[in-house]
Amino acid sequence: AQSVTQPDIHITVSEGASLELRCNYSYGATPYLFWYVQSPGQGLQLLLKYFSGDTLVQGIKGFEAEFKRSQSSFNLRKPSVHWSDAAEYFCAVALGDNTDKLIFGTGTRLQVFP
Amino acid sequence: EPEVTQTPSHQVTQMGQEVILRCVPISNHLYFYWYRQILGQKVEFLVSFYNNEISEKSEIFDDQFSVERPDGSNFTLKIRSTKLEDSAMYFCASAVQETQYFGPGTRLLVL
Repeated sequence: AQSVTQPDIHITVSEGASLELRCNYSYGATPYLFWYVQSPGQGLQLLLKYFSGDTLVQGIKGFEAEFKRSQSSFNLRKPSVHWSDAAEYFCAVALGDNTDKLIFGTGTRLQVFP
Repeated sequence: EPEVTQTPSHQVTQMGQEVILRCVPISNHLYFYWYRQILGQKVEFLVSFYNNEISEKSEIFDDQFSVERPDGSNFTLKIRSTKLEDSAMYFCASAVQETQYFGPGTRLLVL
């Protein structure tokens, strides 16, 4: 079945530690890929996106993500986490074209300890 | 920086009542969307809208739901007769091409 999977429901890291949030998709073709962040009580903010080209994309707030076609993955990374990064992170894909609906993963809740 | 805005931020209604959720997309955007997020669950697509008509709708978007772009700026979602299970956060999004920008959401509580 077609799906977007975020295997980690909840991750806890110490401030200053590195972070990797996993995202896998299960579709026949390479979809358009996105990461969004949702702070408590807030809407969804776009962190970064991948459509084509360089498989390592840079986003806002020091985040980056790497597309790996062989693994059908689009993992989000940050070398040093700040307490303000505590939020819920959603991976999303668009299938048909770049204006198609987004299909979201279930999200990963990030907790940051001082 | 332009933003998508939504009103109201919170709405409480009685089951069976009609609600209208309002969105003001970013001004030069052409594609409009509604999503919802039931508490503790993932964000789900409801409907997309382009060129004054629905492009696609999900199974959730049944006859109780409708969307409208009544003027050049607003984009509304109407639920005709709310059910308890309609309680959720409703997000509007707009796009000029490939990237959807989301509003802050309207939290709807149906009692």
